[in-house]
Amino acid sequence: QVQLQQWGAGLLKPSETLSLTCAVDGGSFSAYHWTWIRQPPGKGLEWIGEVTQSGTTSYTPSLKNRVTISVDSSKKQFSLNLKSVTAADTAFYYCARGHSSGWDWFDPWGQGTLVIVSS
Amino acid sequence: SLELTQDPDVSVALGQTVTITCRGDSLRSFFASWYQQKPGQAPALVIYGENRRPPGTPDRFSGSRSGTTASLTITGAQAEDDADYFCNCRDSSGDHLVFGAGTKVTVL
Repeated sequence: QVQLQQWGAGLLKPSETLSLTCAVDGGSFSAYHWTWIRQPPGKGLEWIGEVTQSGTTSYTPSLKNRVTISVDSSKKQFSLNLKSVTAADTAFYYCARGHSSGWDWFDPWGQGTLVIVSS
Repeated sequence: SLELTQDPDVSVALGQTVTITCRGDSLRSFFASWYQQKPGQAPALVIYGENRRPPGTPDRFSGSRSGTTASLTITGAQAEDDADYFCNCRDSSGDHLVFGAGTKVTVL
């Protein structure tokens, strides 16, 4: 059974860079879209973007200028960097395995990391 | 404008049937996936594709699509189905994915 384990700094100051990493335990690393999703406390989900094993990326337009998602296939890990954070970036951040074979879905998900941006 | 629209709140009596809808132009071309989220937990997939259930999803959950509306139906709602439900689909460009704002389902 595939499990995703994520980690990273949970408290940042405005203008700093958010960095999170997600490790894939079990299963294949290829043929999936490794995805980051966030959720401000008490609010809805936002798809941030994805990366494939080959390094092909896609980002949501609203974050495109600040976000980088990268992959390390040798370690079966992928990472999220979001630069110049503000309080609006305070959220739970989830990594997920994305499937895209005729239709799209996310399963499984990581446990989530709460990132707070505060001065 | 929101790409996917969901009703914020829905209630259902224990054992009855409830349908949650997700509306958006891109649903005419793409199937939605549905996620259940309980307080303090990560979302979990319940339906994807053309009414497919991942292992562990009870068969009282079903999905459908008609035009620009995707629906998630819980037939015989149980107390443990009390949760938030989010739909997800590609956006109108087909290049990105978007979520609906979510529906809070209360089982009475």
